[in-house]
Amino acid sequence: EDQVTQSPEALRLQEGESSSLNCSYTVSGLRGLFWYRQDPGKGPEFLFTLYSAGEEKEKERLKATLTKKESFLHITAPKPEDSATYLCAVRLSYSSASKIIFGSGTRLSIRP
Amino acid sequence: NAGVTQTPKFQVLKTGQSMTLQCAQDMNHEYMSWYRQDPGMGLRLIHYSVGAGITDQGEVPNGYNVSRSTTEDFPLRLLSAAPSQTSVYFCASSRQEDGTNYGYTFGSGTRLTVV
Repeated sequence: EDQVTQSPEALRLQEGESSSLNCSYTVSGLRGLFWYRQDPGKGPEFLFTLYSAGEEKEKERLKATLTKKESFLHITAPKPEDSATYLCAVRLSYSSASKIIFGSGTRLSIRP
Repeated sequence: NAGVTQTPKFQVLKTGQSMTLQCAQDMNHEYMSWYRQDPGMGLRLIHYSVGAGITDQGEVPNGYNVSRSTTEDFPLRLLSAAPSQTSVYFCASSRQEDGTNYGYTFGSGTRLTVV
């Protein structure tokens, strides 16, 4: 069964304390891995797409990396405004572009 | 630039009632999807569409119908509401060029309570 698992469920960091969020997947064929940010009461906001192992993408304090079995979202020197839930999603190879499944997310809290 | 617009933002239904959640996008995106989000379960795909006139089922389609008569609109119909359908519903759209799937643009969600 295709599955996307995110860990940890919740992470509390001090401002400036770097860390990583994990997204592991077991799917029959990966055609793209996505990272989103979701603020309370809002829809998810697209961050990155990764397609192949070894690929990296960066945006401000965030860097996403991809291996054959998992992806990491590295956050460097975070600020309180980085507090949000971060969602990982995968596009399956046998499906149309619209069939994308999500993990349950990591709630990130940054203390000033 | 409105993006993806969902209406209503909040709704309370009685068990057995039917209703339609509206979704419209103004970006000429081919792909549109409906997800529900429940605590601890992430986003689960209900139905999706790859273009006008074409729809397919996702992970949790039972109790929901969709149609796509235009590129812009993708309404979700609840046939006979049940308490298990209490959730936050998100509509999303994306474009695709040369086989590259761009990230979804999500609406702001509809919070539905079935009593």
